[in-house]
Parts: sequence; structure tokens; C-alpha cells
Amino acid sequence: QSVLTQPPSVSGAPGQRVTISCTGSSSNIGAGYGVHWYQQLPGTAPKLLIYVNNNRPSGVPDRFSGSRSGTSASLAITGLQAEDEADYYCLSYDSSLSGGVFGGGTKLTVL
Amino acid sequence: QVQLVQSGAEVKKPGSSVKVSCKVSGDTFYRYAISWVRQAPGQGLEWMGGIIPMVGTADYAQKFQGRVTITADDSTTTAYMELSSLRSEDTAVFYCARHSGSYYDSLDYWGQGTLVTVSS
Repeated sequence: QSVLTQPPSVSGAPGQRVTISCTGSSSNIGAGYGVHWYQQLPGTAPKLLIYVNNNRPSGVPDRFSGSRSGTSASLAITGLQAEDEADYYCLSYDSSLSGGVFGGGTKLTVL
Repeated sequence: QVQLVQSGAEVKKPGSSVKVSCKVSGDTFYRYAISWVRQAPGQGLEWMGGIIPMVGTADYAQKFQGRVTITADDSTTTAYMELSSLRSEDTAVFYCARHSGSYYDSLDYWGQGTLVTVSS
């Protein structure tokens, strides 16, 4: 069981908006540690999508956005495209565990 | 451009050890934390531990404490992860990744992954 909780799956039609939640606790997200989001396509290494809650690395489309509130964070994807079908993971730091913690991952299906 | 290149796939017997290397190029090696992440087949990402080469000491996830050793060699800008007492459940792809700063910061560059298969 992961320290950060994500829904196992989400889905949406092309062009729609989907959100993926990441719920933590007072020792990680709630303590103010940044939340980072990754996209993983099958057979490839994860790719950084969002860093420190709501920042996009260069090259990541502005269809991807992040937010954080309290002990939770969210990744939003607007204008859904077929190529967005992938697994998505959140990552933060946990002061009780003194290390990084990932969410369990969410599989996005584009209908 | 920062690149992390990992060593090749390994097949190991239960009870043995494996050591995976991660060569870092393109930026200052000692300044940024490097973490190791395990991904079992069909499963999610799991933080195993990491090291800040400038500090030299490693930090480990409780789950792997006592079985994993992470080291870094400044002279060759290479990080290593050794996992001992291997069991079938350790069959996984292991990634090294570089943080943009310390462990609190994002993992912005990743290696290609190393598949370790544990089988008798």
C-alpha cells in the first residue's frame, strides 16, 4: 500500500478534461513538501510532467497542470489526446520516512 | 544535456546479489542527489534510496534497509546500487534518477532502466 494514494484508473474521451488526485498526509504533502508528477509510457522510463506542485518543465504542453491543497494534490489534463494514454505517478518527500514516496499510479485510458 | 546510462540486464540466482551502475554525464555530479527506483512487472514505482555524492552518505527506504547499498564514485561520476539476498519478488526494472537538488526536489533525469531477473 502506497503512502500517497491515487485512483487506479481514470478515463476520458478525446478533447475532454480529466484529473488525477494524489492524497497524502501531514508528514508529506501536508508538511509542505513539493509534489511532482510523472508520465510513464509502456516500456519507457518515467518522464517529469510537473515539478513542485504546478510547474511545467520546458517542452511539456500547457494542457498539463498541477495543484496542491492541504494534504492532497491533483494533476489536470485538458484537451485529452490519444497519446496521453499512459500511467501517471505523483512523488513527494515524507519526513517520517526520511525519503521519497510515490503514489500507486493511475492508468489513464483515452476512450 | 544530462544523461544517465545504466548497466545492462542481469539474471541472478535467489540468494545472490546484483550491482547496477549509473553513469552520469553532462553536469556537475557531486551536487545533486541520485535516487534508485524499483518497478516490478506490472507494478508501480518504489523509492529504494538515494545518495548525495557531495555528502557521501546514503539514505534508504525502510523496506530495503539492510539489503541495499548505494554508493557514488566522484572520479567516474557513477552511482551504484547493490541489492543482496535476492528473491524472486525482486525481479524488476531498476531506475537511477537525478534530483534537481536534494531528495525533496523532483527527479528530472532518468536512466533507461536495468532489468534484473531473479530465477533459479
